[in-house]
Amino acid sequence: ENVLTQSPAIMSASPGEKVTMTCRASSSVSSSYLHWYQQKSGASPKLWIYSTSNLASGVPARFSGSGSGTSYSLTISSVEAEDAATYYCQQYSGYPLTFGAGTKLELK
Amino acid sequence: QVQLQQSGPELVKPGASVRISCKASGYTFTSYYIHWVKQRPGQGLEWIGWIYPGNVNTKYNEKFKGKATLTADKSSSTAYMQLSSLTSEDSAVYFCAREGGNYLDYWGQGTTLTVSS
Repeated sequence: ENVLTQSPAIMSASPGEKVTMTCRASSSVSSSYLHWYQQKSGASPKLWIYSTSNLASGVPARFSGSGSGTSYSLTISSVEAEDAATYYCQQYSGYPLTFGAGTKLELK
Repeated sequence: QVQLQQSGPELVKPGASVRISCKASGYTFTSYYIHWVKQRPGQGLEWIGWIYPGNVNTKYNEKFKGKATLTADKSSSTAYMQLSSLTSEDSAVYFCAREGGNYLDYWGQGTTLTVSS
């Protein structure tokens, strides 16, 4: 099983701040098969970034994704209040499909 | 527009079984995989498996073999997940999601399962 480790588990940011969260895989993941989801409290996850760096429909341009192999990241260039959520990375490079434990972004 | 509408909350007794539904609309049901994902309270996401309604092929996470059974009804564009021999460890929110191209692009609203006597 490809274990995805996300860090930090919780982060706090002020509006306008740049933030980066990471996702490390125990085995290499093809960049085409590494994705990010946003989940707000009480809601379903939403596809946020697919295939490492492609923004899903409706996702603001302040979000970006990068990485390769076993190390991936999601960056928000200037955090806004609406970005408060938990972000999960997910790989589909092998079975079972796995998710990271999530990074919870809190706004100060 | 693509929608996945899941059945309502369930309260079931330990040892019982339950079937959760996921009705698809807005796209060709038989052309996309449907995945099921578990989320325990305050926890992360756990993949259960997928079904391809076009040929009803299935793939399961080894952890859920014997626990979950995935089926699909083409006539009603509905996917189902049956969970058997329920325990408190099965209490969770269960999501169905469509695979859009090795990622899960649309999700149902979730079904809350509570296992309690």
